Amino acid sequence: GQNIDQPTEMTATEGAIVQINCTYQTSGFNGLFWYQQHAGEAPTFLSYNVLDGLEEKGRFSSFLSRSKGYSYLLLKELQMKDSASYLCAVRDIGNRDDKIIFGKGTRLHILP
Amino acid sequence: EAQVTQNPRYLITVTGKKLTVTCSQNMNHEYMSWYRQDPGLGLRQIYYSMNVEVTDKGDVPEGYKVSRKEKRNFPLILESPSPNQTSLYFCASSLVAPGTIDYEQYFGPGTRLTVT
Repeated sequence: GQNIDQPTEMTATEGAIVQINCTYQTSGFNGLFWYQQHAGEAPTFLSYNVLDGLEEKGRFSSFLSRSKGYSYLLLKELQMKDSASYLCAVRDIGNRDDKIIFGKGTRLHILP
Repeated sequence: EAQVTQNPRYLITVTGKKLTVTCSQNMNHEYMSWYRQDPGLGLRQIYYSMNVEVTDKGDVPEGYKVSRKEKRNFPLILESPSPNQTSLYFCASSLVAPGTIDYEQYFGPGTRLTVT
């Protein structure tokens, strides 16, 4: 079956670093995505990993290990505006389908 | 301005009354998708389309229909809405299918649907 797990909530302090983990189990893995979603708004794309390793984009980095079914999103120099939900999603290609499966999201609270 | 638009943004309807939520993108994207988002369940893919006249079921297609007669539009149709379809719906599009190079998926602003 398909399964994506990420923590429900996390709290961090402004200026600090936080790592949000995501583990997945899919039969036809073909890429992992991270999205940011502020309350009441649409998700916005952050990153995409299809090969193992670290992808850095400004204050945000995303890591993937396909052999371990594991990814993390690293946020540095946290700002209050980073308070949001972070969604991990996986592309799963089967014999007859090509789906995108989302985790339930991690709500990140930033404290001043 | 590059964007994905959805209409209506808010809708309250009654059980059994057919409705259509429109989705349009102005970026010439091939891939379009519909999701619903429910508390505690996250985003779930309803249907997707890789190009004109090509549509496929996502994870939760029951009770929904879609069509892709032209590249820019991907309407979501609820033939006979039921209360369990009360949800927040998002349309999304990308230039190429997810998983290939240069992938980035843009989401519409969302449609909050209530079925009584």
